[in-house]
This record gives sequence, structure tokens and C-alpha cells, in this order.
Amino acid sequence: ETGVTQTPRHLVMGMTNKKSLKCEQHLGHNAMYWYKQSAKKPLELMFVYNFKEQTENNSVPSRFSPECPNSSHLFLHLHTLQPEDSALYLCASSPPGNYGYTFGSGTRLTVV
Amino acid sequence: QKEVEQDPGPLSVPEGAIVSLNCTYSNSAFQYFMWYRQYSRKGPELLMYTYSSGNKEDGRFTAQVDKSSKYISLFIRDSQPSDSATYLCAILSGGYNKLIFGAGTRLAVHP
Repeated sequence: ETGVTQTPRHLVMGMTNKKSLKCEQHLGHNAMYWYKQSAKKPLELMFVYNFKEQTENNSVPSRFSPECPNSSHLFLHLHTLQPEDSALYLCASSPPGNYGYTFGSGTRLTVV
Repeated sequence: QKEVEQDPGPLSVPEGAIVSLNCTYSNSAFQYFMWYRQYSRKGPELLMYTYSSGNKEDGRFTAQVDKSSKYISLFIRDSQPSDSATYLCAILSGGYNKLIFGAGTRLAVHP
């Protein structure tokens, strides 16, 4: 384990479902991130949170809704997704002044 | 033009070979360059981190940055089957620790 824990590891959901992805870190990091990883494409930054405040939304569709209740927890709420949203969703965190991210193992999402 | 370009491979080499992995980038203002390694069914892990131009060595791994060509490289000496993974270059862009990743190169080292 890297210190960043993501649950669930795998998720299959229908296009009308609502589900949530969870990320948790107890590394004392202040910044948390959501990335989307699709086959043969670069990791796509979705959201950035610094000290619980959202500082970046990379033009992500509103069917993805992030939530950061504190510096240790990050959620990604999903609703009415499309099959092209199927991907590996990675959470990462980083400490102040350090550019090395610690990633979780990701949630493999399949939208049917 | 993409901010970071990386050949996705795959790259297959015999054990013991020297491996060269490369990325190009578009913005000459970038200063921080990283390499991540990602094993199957795992998240990426930070391998090497360099600032500005020059080389940095860590065991069998050497990271090289050529800012004049906007070219970054990762060399792996005496490659091992355990090095089989996807290698991603990443560049720090803007504020708030925003990393931009290449597509990743899949490497297979066969015994």
C-alpha cells in the first residue's frame, strides 16, 4: 500500500446509476487530485483540491461531482455516466512544496 | 500540439539491455520533470525527479533533461524482468502542483 487508499477497486454501473468513489490518505498531505486514465491516452487531470478547496476543474462534465470534506478524504460522485467514461480513476496526494504525487491503486470503472 | 508527447511503445528488450525512454514537451518554461513507473493494476509511483537541465542518477536509472531540445529521457542500465512496467514522463505546469503526463511507454524485459 502506498498510503493512498481507493475504494472500490472495481465498479460496474449502469448509465442511470449513482455511485461514489472514495479516496483516503493519512500521509499529512494537503493537496489531493483526481485523474482519469484511459487506454493509450495520457492521464487526464480532472480536479485538484488544496487544503479542501477546489483549485482546478479541468472542464470535467457535471456528471462527475467531487467532494473534499477534509484534507484526508476525497470523493468522486458519479451519475448518468456514459460508456466512454469507463476508465481507471486514480486519486493522488502531495505534501506542501513537493511535486511528487503519491497515487492510489485506482478504481476500474465500467459503465454499461 | 500536445504539451507532452511520449511514444506508447510497446518496447520489448532482452534482460541486461540498456533501455532509453523519451518524451518531448512544448513549453520552454517548464522546469520540473519527473518519471513515474506503473505496474499492472497499480497506480503510478514516482521514480525520478529532476529540476531544469542536466542528468540525475539513481542506481540503474538515469534521468536526463535537454531544455534546448525540450527533450527528456530515462535510461535503464542492466534491465531486469522486474522493470517490466509502463513508464510515464510528467511535467509540472503552472501552480498548485499540476502535473501533465505523457501517454506512457509500455516496457517488457524478457529473460
